Amino acid sequence: AQKVTQAQTEISVVEKEDVTLDCVYETRDTTYYLFWYKQPPSGELVFLIRRNSFDEQNEISGRYSWNFQKSTSSFNFTITASQVVDSAVYFCALRGYGGATNKLIFGTGTLLAVQP
Amino acid sequence: DAGITQSPRYKITETGRQVTLMCHQTWSHSYMFWYRQDLGHGLRLIYYSAAADITDKGEVPDGYVVSRSKTENFPLTLESATRSQTSVYFCASSEWGQNSPLHFGNGTRLTVT
Repeated sequence: AQKVTQAQTEISVVEKEDVTLDCVYETRDTTYYLFWYKQPPSGELVFLIRRNSFDEQNEISGRYSWNFQKSTSSFNFTITASQVVDSAVYFCALRGYGGATNKLIFGTGTLLAVQP
Repeated sequence: DAGITQSPRYKITETGRQVTLMCHQTWSHSYMFWYRQDLGHGLRLIYYSAAADITDKGEVPDGYVVSRSKTENFPLTLESATRSQTSVYFCASSEWGQNSPLHFGNGTRLTVT
């Protein structure tokens, strides 16, 4: 069975603070894909990044960075120098490779509130 | 314009009624998905489809029916709506390939009274 756990339900930070959103996953597939999505207060779901199980390189995109560690089954997301516009719900998701696991399973999300 | 469109955006219905939520995509994506979003549960997969006439159950399929006679359409039907089906429903599509990100519609907020 596949599972994604986002243990942090809500996080509140003050603008310019760094914040890390945790994501832990479970899968029996050797090939799988991990994703992060953002859901701002307006409600739409915005794709942020994908990572395949064979690529453990960390990635940085502006103020965003992602740390993928297969050894701990984690795919954490860090926002550096947070801004009010980063306030949103962030979802981590997992998609397996097999027929039964080829569907995107989401975690329960982390609500990030960035205070001015 | 290309994209994925859900209709209606808002729907109020009564317990026991049948209601159909529509989803249409113009990308010719192979995969389509239906999720429901509830507080504390995140996004849960209801049904998905790998191609026309191929559908499969997700995590919470009970009480829902889907069909996919055409690649671009993936309607979701609640055969006899219950209050527990009050939720926000998202349709999504993706290209063939497990590394393809899902593209989501804007959601349908359904209230069952």
